[in-house]
Amino acid sequence: DAKTTQPNSMESNEEEPVHLPCNHSTISGTDYIHWYRQLPSQGPEYVIHGLTSNVNNRMASLAIAEDRKSSTLILHRATLRDAAVYYCILRGSIQGAQKLVFGQGTRLTINP
Amino acid sequence: DVKVTQSSRYLVKRTGEKVFLECVQDMDHENMFWYRQDPGLGLRLIYFSYDVKMKEKGDIPEGYSVSREKKERFSLILESASTNQTSMYLCASSFSGGALKEQFFGPGTRLTVL
Repeated sequence: DAKTTQPNSMESNEEEPVHLPCNHSTISGTDYIHWYRQLPSQGPEYVIHGLTSNVNNRMASLAIAEDRKSSTLILHRATLRDAAVYYCILRGSIQGAQKLVFGQGTRLTINP
Repeated sequence: DVKVTQSSRYLVKRTGEKVFLECVQDMDHENMFWYRQDPGLGLRLIYFSYDVKMKEKGDIPEGYSVSREKKERFSLILESASTNQTSMYLCASSFSGGALKEQFFGPGTRLTVL
């Protein structure tokens, strides 16, 4: 599995945008970039995924570099509820049960 | 809403006991997974199943077995619990087919083996 690198921790203020970076320099052409987050005392939950183009959904936006060697998860207006560990994961496009390979993730702290 | 439920949030067992962790999903997902989560090691895959009665080893299957007799239920079994199996256990499920199928996680079971 291709490896991702994320900062161990980040801090931001409530109602401000947050940009969470992820480096994946060994990404292959068929790897999708997935983001999950884990709120305190809960299991991980899916946030967003993309392949080449930037993506938006109700939770966040995903900006993917043109060379696909890095990506950024954007929370447009952070709330206290967004405090969590965010995981950037690469997944292949083959069929079948796809295991998720979690790294250490980025622990995001939101200040009131 | 997809629901993945796990039989217990907290469990305390003694060394040598046989332990069953149960997971049930209500979305007719083909795939089910068991992970454990430890500080500094992140989430690691123990076993997964892509169909009833089918199972595949994950990255750390030693000391564990699984059972999937019905599509909605995936059980993790610790044949003889040991203290190094004290951990948070997370179950997940997904539809099959491709990398686009998100995994839905349960709330986790925190197991302590004394």
